[in-house]
Amino acid sequence: KNEVEQSPQNLTAQEGEFITINCSYSVGISALHWLQQHPGGGIVSLFMLSSGKKKHGRLIATINIQEKHSSLHITASHPRDSAVYICAVRPGGDKLIFGTGTRLQVFP
Amino acid sequence: NAGVMQNPRHLVRRRGQEARLRCSPMKGHSHVYWYRQLPEEGLKFMVYLQKENIIDESGMPKERFSAEFPKEGPSILRIQQVVRGDSAAYFCASSRLETPWETQYFGPGTRLLVL
Repeated sequence: KNEVEQSPQNLTAQEGEFITINCSYSVGISALHWLQQHPGGGIVSLFMLSSGKKKHGRLIATINIQEKHSSLHITASHPRDSAVYICAVRPGGDKLIFGTGTRLQVFP
Repeated sequence: NAGVMQNPRHLVRRRGQEARLRCSPMKGHSHVYWYRQLPEEGLKFMVYLQKENIIDESGMPKERFSAEFPKEGPSILRIQQVVRGDSAAYFCASSRLETPWETQYFGPGTRLLVL
């Protein structure tokens, strides 16, 4: 069993829909990251969380440390949001442990 | 302030050749991380370096792979005697500090294809 599990693996949506991607982890962590990987392969860091909730534009990330769970929400989704969204946890120390990603496609 | 730079972006090698991948961290960043993404798999940690020091190489294959981050110049990931299974995207990330709450900034990756 992976230490970081994401669901769903694949997600399709119509433009304008509200989207939720989930991440569960089984280790103690000091921080959790949400990353976005575009079809060209480049990776962008979206959020780094250690507690609570963060918002940036149409993106919202929440984390529940007790339940070892985080969610990434996209409001008013747009085709340009189509990408792979990756959850990564930092168990302490230096390395990140990654989920396998959620592939999102938003259709106009 | 330029982001993390990696070169080459694409690299083709024949089995048995050497591959050298370079990573220039963001200005002011002294912590470099290398990750590998095998086809259809998630990212995996390989090695964490600070200037002139390897801090954690627990994710590096025991043979053929090495990494350095010299006092001057980019970080280098070196793969000797490449095999087909080394074909992957190799990403470098850098951060200003090692603390857990510090964001890592990723480079565009080097896509290695071994023929």
